[in-house]
Amino acid sequence: GENVEQHPSTLSVQEGDSAVIKCTYSDSASNYFPWYKQELGKRPQLIIDIRSNVGEKKDQRIAVTLNKTAKHFSLHITETQPEDSAVYFCAAFSGGYQKVTFGIGTKLQVIP
Amino acid sequence: DAGVIQSPRHEVTEMGQEVTLRCKPISGHNSLFWYRQTMMRGLELLIYFNNNVPIDDSGMPEDRFSAKMPNASFSTLKIQPSEPRDSAVYFCASRSGTGGNYEQYFGPGTRLTVT
Repeated sequence: GENVEQHPSTLSVQEGDSAVIKCTYSDSASNYFPWYKQELGKRPQLIIDIRSNVGEKKDQRIAVTLNKTAKHFSLHITETQPEDSAVYFCAAFSGGYQKVTFGIGTKLQVIP
Repeated sequence: DAGVIQSPRHEVTEMGQEVTLRCKPISGHNSLFWYRQTMMRGLELLIYFNNNVPIDDSGMPEDRFSAKMPNASFSTLKIQPSEPRDSAVYFCASRSGTGGNYEQYFGPGTRLTVT
């Protein structure tokens, strides 16, 4: 089955700096890679996603890159703000966009 | 739309009791997912349904867990008998899957505590 590794597990950055979270996956058939943000006590919410036919996608301060050959994808947050503090999860979907494996999560702390 | 609805939001029960968690997906969505979240194991997919049919239940931990989706607007996850290690937050999520839209929408979760 699919194995998704995510690192780092915790990340502290100064407000205004960039944050990068990386994930690797094992199943070459995986074809959809979303990133979720989960604030304490709340539900995961999609912040950005990328499909296997695209190498990069950007939405304002958030970007995701995908390297299919190396089987890794990364989340980039620029100009971080205190409200970016949360746990971020990567995920890899296969099997018709239904079989999903999540990374263990990265706790991001943005220090004002 | 009210989004994905889950009930109860919190459940405290004693070991050995039956627990039933409920989920109402977003109207028009044809896929439904049940997840379990713990500190140790993170988010785990338990089972997913497509058009009310269970497609893959390989994530269900053992026979004590069962899930049903009798119609497009309702699903249940049952644990019988419950054990302390089942304590977790259980999320339900739904997805349209049409028009190239694969975003999952999560419900608020049910926090289960088994004592």
